[in-house]
Amino acid sequence: GAVVSQHPSRVICKSGTSVKIECRSLDFQATTMFWYRQFPKQSLMLMATSNEGSKATYEQGVEKDKFLINHASLTLSTLTVTSAHPEDSSFYICSPRGGGGGNTEAFFGQGTRLTVV
Amino acid sequence: QKEVEQDPGPLSVPEGAIVSLNCTYSNSAFQYFMWYRQYSRKGPELLMYTYSSGNKEDGRFTAQVDKSSKYISLFIRDSQPSDSATYLCAMRGSARQLTFGSGTQLTVLP
Repeated sequence: GAVVSQHPSRVICKSGTSVKIECRSLDFQATTMFWYRQFPKQSLMLMATSNEGSKATYEQGVEKDKFLINHASLTLSTLTVTSAHPEDSSFYICSPRGGGGGNTEAFFGQGTRLTVV
Repeated sequence: QKEVEQDPGPLSVPEGAIVSLNCTYSNSAFQYFMWYRQYSRKGPELLMYTYSSGNKEDGRFTAQVDKSSKYISLFIRDSQPSDSATYLCAMRGSARQLTFGSGTQLTVLP
């Protein structure tokens, strides 16, 4: 069964509003969470990395005040797109990582398609 | 120059064909190599995971890594229409962040 639950899968919002995306790790403790953005016909671009209980690290060009990340527990991380604009319309994907060894590159959420109108 | 280059396709093959997908990279620190399959509007699904150079086989899928040439490949034997998807290569060094290729869109025609 699924080990990562991301929702909503699709959301349409008005320009200027905020949208919260949740990502839950179901079978393991996610000490690290990666958030990606994917534009049509393009690859996944890392937006930010968060570690449980600490502030997220944002990639160059990603506004930390616009994309708020909360990783307060080992099973839940949220990404809030604040004051959304049409150019924020994209496919957002989370990817949790556990703290132990082994291959944890397997785990991705099912993605959230955000459309800002 | 991008760190990871991948031919975006699209690639269209008849059912039963052997498919070859490739990526090249420039960062010699990369040592973990992955191939993902992504269906439309879904998250990536891990297909193959390889550490360092060599071959790895899993069913109809074979992954090859040639670190000396900075070149990785994914082969799909006896391709099926259900294999139609976008295939992404990804890799990393000792850090946990993955660097993805741009993806190759594959269509297997029945």
